[in-house]
Amino acid sequence: KAGVTQTPRYLIKTRGQQVTLSCSPISGHRSVSWYQQTPGQGLQFLFEYFSETQRNKGNFPGRFSGRQFSNSRSEMNVSTLELGDSALYLCASSPSGSLAYEQYFGPGTRLTVT
Amino acid sequence: AQTVTQSQPEMSVQEAETVTLSCTYDTSESDYYLFWYKQPPSRQMILVIRQEAYKQQNATENRFSVNFQKAAKSFSLKISDSQLGDAAMYFCAYMKSAGGSTLGRLYFGRGTQLTVWP
Repeated sequence: KAGVTQTPRYLIKTRGQQVTLSCSPISGHRSVSWYQQTPGQGLQFLFEYFSETQRNKGNFPGRFSGRQFSNSRSEMNVSTLELGDSALYLCASSPSGSLAYEQYFGPGTRLTVT
Repeated sequence: AQTVTQSQPEMSVQEAETVTLSCTYDTSESDYYLFWYKQPPSRQMILVIRQEAYKQQNATENRFSVNFQKAAKSFSLKISDSQLGDAAMYFCAYMKSAGGSTLGRLYFGRGTQLTVWP
């Protein structure tokens, strides 16, 4: 099976712009979670989607949003970018059922805000 | 709130030797999962090993094993016969076991950077 894919891998944006990141989960996985990784804050949970519904949300401002499509692909959007949004954004997918706790991560999208 | 603490920002080990990475966590839950993830320079997070809290037996995956002390809320990772390819940042992580909204959220420690010397 192909792993989790994230596009784009690298992105440079300017303050005030918005950005959309994409994540394609492993085939058959219905849950997608997003994390932000920065040197200062470490790995922080953004949100989780399951069957097109946001099931869980971390403590991030409303500028961070996401959605999931019927094929389980997910996108996250950050509006009005700030310098502090520069980070590695990781997406993870999980199977359903008894192995739902196992998360498989994609390679990440490195976002730089200038 | 769940917190995961890794008190060793950096560790080093000689190739073929054994090293233990420490992790403690704080939770009021009785059922949960614990994980060790490895993040090499490529930044790809790789699951190394997991432990279900209801299981008393410590998990083992080839050269990787854990020492799970539930009462002490301690979850250390032992790497035996260390190899150069083991060099990476290692993250300890926690996840609640309840279904619904609590599942799918990992709480991570700050990581331990492991260097392996030839």
